[in-house]
Amino acid sequence: DTGVSQDPRHKITKRGQNVTFRCDPISEHNRLYWYRQTLGQGPEFLTYFQNEAQLEKSRLLSDRFSAERPKGSFSTLEIQRTEQGDSAMYLCASSLVQGSNYGYTFGSGTRLTVV
Amino acid sequence: EDQVTQSPEALRLQEGESSSLNCSYTVSGLRGLFWYRQDPGKGPEFLFTLYSAGEEKEKERLKATLTKKESFLHITAPKPEDSATYLCAVQAGYSGAGSYQLTFGKGTKLSVIP
Repeated sequence: DTGVSQDPRHKITKRGQNVTFRCDPISEHNRLYWYRQTLGQGPEFLTYFQNEAQLEKSRLLSDRFSAERPKGSFSTLEIQRTEQGDSAMYLCASSLVQGSNYGYTFGSGTRLTVV
Repeated sequence: EDQVTQSPEALRLQEGESSSLNCSYTVSGLRGLFWYRQDPGKGPEFLFTLYSAGEEKEKERLKATLTKKESFLHITAPKPEDSATYLCAVQAGYSGAGSYQLTFGKGTKLSVIP
């Protein structure tokens, strides 16, 4: 297992278009998280899944954003009617249920540019 | 609301010049404090988790410590390859809404000059 994979690495889209990102977590991890990071800022929490259930959504996640994790495996994050303010790095992370010395493993992210 | 403040924002060190990065936090009960390293264009790379005041963890030239209000990341005799942004994050200890997320600081950008 090579870690958390995200696809695509980069996406340039025109304002108003829809985009979808994919995340493949570490296979034995049952928790999956989406974060957004803008330049010079730390990552901000967007949403969290335990298996296939979406248990938490940030108020940052407007109605234009939707995330799914069918069958508790990979996850997708869709942004509808993109705006320039959506330009950011979208990070996915996964983890096991808490144990000692656990950490969230992040993917390399998808950089979205809305023009 | 959970808050994390990191200082300094940027730090330039000569190779071999030891220093410390600071992470101050306010959180409703601390479940864990995390340190990550982030290289440009990449996702954060996990370094340490600290759970309680007085705890210390080490990895190569890095040592993380924790008090009730702050954490320090000590870098001993840094090398140019230690150049990166170091992020601190906290997870609250309460149950329910918001308890699964990490709250990150803005990071400290470390540059180690040969």
